[in-house]
Amino acid sequence: DAKTTQPPSMDCAEGRAANLPCNHSTISGNEYVYWYRQIHSQGPQYIIHGLKNNETNEMASLIITEDRKSSTLILPHATLRDTAVYYCIVSGFQYGNKLVFGAGTILRVKS
Amino acid sequence: EPEVTQTPSHQVTQMGQEVILRCVPISNHLYFYWYRQILGQKVEFLVSFYNNEISEKSEIFDDQFSVERPDGSNFTLKIRSTKLEDSAMYFCASSEASYQETQYFGPGTRLLVL
Repeated sequence: DAKTTQPPSMDCAEGRAANLPCNHSTISGNEYVYWYRQIHSQGPQYIIHGLKNNETNEMASLIITEDRKSSTLILPHATLRDTAVYYCIVSGFQYGNKLVFGAGTILRVKS
Repeated sequence: EPEVTQTPSHQVTQMGQEVILRCVPISNHLYFYWYRQILGQKVEFLVSFYNNEISEKSEIFDDQFSVERPDGSNFTLKIRSTKLEDSAMYFCASSEASYQETQYFGPGTRLLVL
């Protein structure tokens, strides 16, 4: 079972920041937080990941709370093409090689 | 930018037939994976493969399934005798190393079993 909790859906206005929350209260010290997204039925697309520090790349920023029990993915200027299902996944050695996907958050970006 | 590719993009087969789904992982990656997604459901892990051996497999990956790296570039998933419930999107992924290394996914093969 997925170790994360995400809201089932969110709306965001085009051009505004999209902030997608994720709870992972049982995360352990060596587990990373990964974010992927899936547009329609395409393959999951990697966005960003982090351990405990905040991370930023060309796609998004990841804010992890100090206790690591939750995180927020930020898309700074959402576009219509960012409409997708966003998955927050905790991954670490105890999971072996596999990623365990939950239901994710459906983000709808509206003009 | 390197990417994982999969062929075919769509496959229609009759129940009981064998199908082979093909994947070309990113060239310097060492770990390979198959996942599937039944329409409207979650993405599910099937199997991981490293050094010509299965590292881990899920309960879904029964004796009807097999994986192979027949040459230095391809990674295949074979379903020996397809069932209606095998209809799904099948995604291949690869990573440079094991855990804590990002897995990159291909576009998927849509398999329809009639």
